[in-house]
Amino acid sequence: IAGITQAPTSQILAAGRRMTLRCTQDMRHNAMYWYRQDLGLGLRLIHYSNTAGTTGKGEVPDGYSVSRANTDDFPLTLASAVPSQTSVYFCASSDSRTKLHNEQFFGPGTRLTVL
Amino acid sequence: AQSVSQHNHHVILSEAASLELGCNYSYGGTVNLLWYVQYPGQHLQLLLKYFSGDPLVKGIKGFEAEFIKSKFSFNLRKPSVQWSDTAEYFCAVTLIYNQGGKLIFGQGTELSVKP
Repeated sequence: IAGITQAPTSQILAAGRRMTLRCTQDMRHNAMYWYRQDLGLGLRLIHYSNTAGTTGKGEVPDGYSVSRANTDDFPLTLASAVPSQTSVYFCASSDSRTKLHNEQFFGPGTRLTVL
Repeated sequence: AQSVSQHNHHVILSEAASLELGCNYSYGGTVNLLWYVQYPGQHLQLLLKYFSGDPLVKGIKGFEAEFIKSKFSFNLRKPSVQWSDTAEYFCAVTLIYNQGGKLIFGQGTELSVKP
């Protein structure tokens, strides 16, 4: 079934630990995104990638890094987790090569708790 | 800076009541406008979108939205809500100049429908 998968579904992590959230899409979309969702703040863009090999910073990039080695995968890494990174993380993708069609498709999310 | 505002953080309605959720954005150029819905425990799903043409767009499950360019608004409406419409609703704007299709999300409106 075409779509976006994320792993893990949820994770409890000790502060200071390194963590990588995985995201894979099989729709051959060129663009991928990472958002965090926090109560009362909606979704905020962390990092994005317009195409394999390129990445860019979003609204809240500090403490996070991404890589885009191929079209399908877009992992998000927390080098040293802090409690303020407790959130629900959503990966998304879109075929943005046509500017008029910027609909993004979302994955199921990863609930991360940093203690 | 560009932003999206949703005026209502939490709306409580009885079944069969009419719904209107406000959304305003601040950007003087061309935009794509979208509404996403997130049912409890699920990921975001596209409800409807406006890219061009008729400013009154119809989405799934009886929802519609009207783009009023002069008011920078894209309000979501439904004539008669159901208990199953209980969810969080996000308005989002894509700025056309941005080839990467970065969406700017509003803070979200939680809708609770009482049976």
